[in-house]
Amino acid sequence: DAGVIQSPRHEVTEMGQEVTLRCKPISGHDYLFWYRQTMMRGLELLIYFNNNVPIDDSGMPEDRFSAKMPNASFSTLKIQPSEPRDSAVYFCASSLVRDFGEKLFFGSGTQLSVL
Amino acid sequence: SQELEQSPQSLIVQEGKNLTINCTSSKTLYGLYWYKQKYGEGLIFLMMLQKGGEEKSHEKITAKLDEKKQQSSLHITASQPSHAGIYLCGADRGSTLGRLYFGRGTQLTVWP
Repeated sequence: DAGVIQSPRHEVTEMGQEVTLRCKPISGHDYLFWYRQTMMRGLELLIYFNNNVPIDDSGMPEDRFSAKMPNASFSTLKIQPSEPRDSAVYFCASSLVRDFGEKLFFGSGTQLSVL
Repeated sequence: SQELEQSPQSLIVQEGKNLTINCTSSKTLYGLYWYKQKYGEGLIFLMMLQKGGEEKSHEKITAKLDEKKQQSSLHITASQPSHAGIYLCGADRGSTLGRLYFGRGTQLTVWP
């Protein structure tokens, strides 16, 4: 299996621009998670989906952030407009959850720099 | 506030030395996960502990969960440069299926 695939690996953009991050979960996994990692706050959960439906988006910082999962094999995280404080590493993770105790499989992340 | 507290924040050791990283929660955990992250890469699963007093080992890494299921330690014996990276603990509180909460991580440097 190819694992969780994220693109792009690196993104550099100017403040005010729209940024779209992409994720392909492991085939068959029914949970998908978007995390953000910064030095100050560590790894934070932004939103997660179950069977393509958003379950908890309480971690999404502002209305500038939105996430979609149009099908079981693809998800996007969009920031519009982007700001310098959005600079971070964004991780996508997926899991096949049938009970408590299932582990997450992480992608390699997208390093976002907003200038 | 952080769900999990990790200590130390960073650790620099000489190759061959033993070391311990701690992870503490103020709430009882259903499961405690240890992940390792190398620079520019995602998180790699190391071990999961669920039972109070449980201990697991893989190669030179041993993880323990205390009886109260609120504290875990990760111990590396005879550290090597390949052990370098960021170690994160993640917690499953058993309240929201599939969701894990993470500590800020411990940056480990091993010098030859």
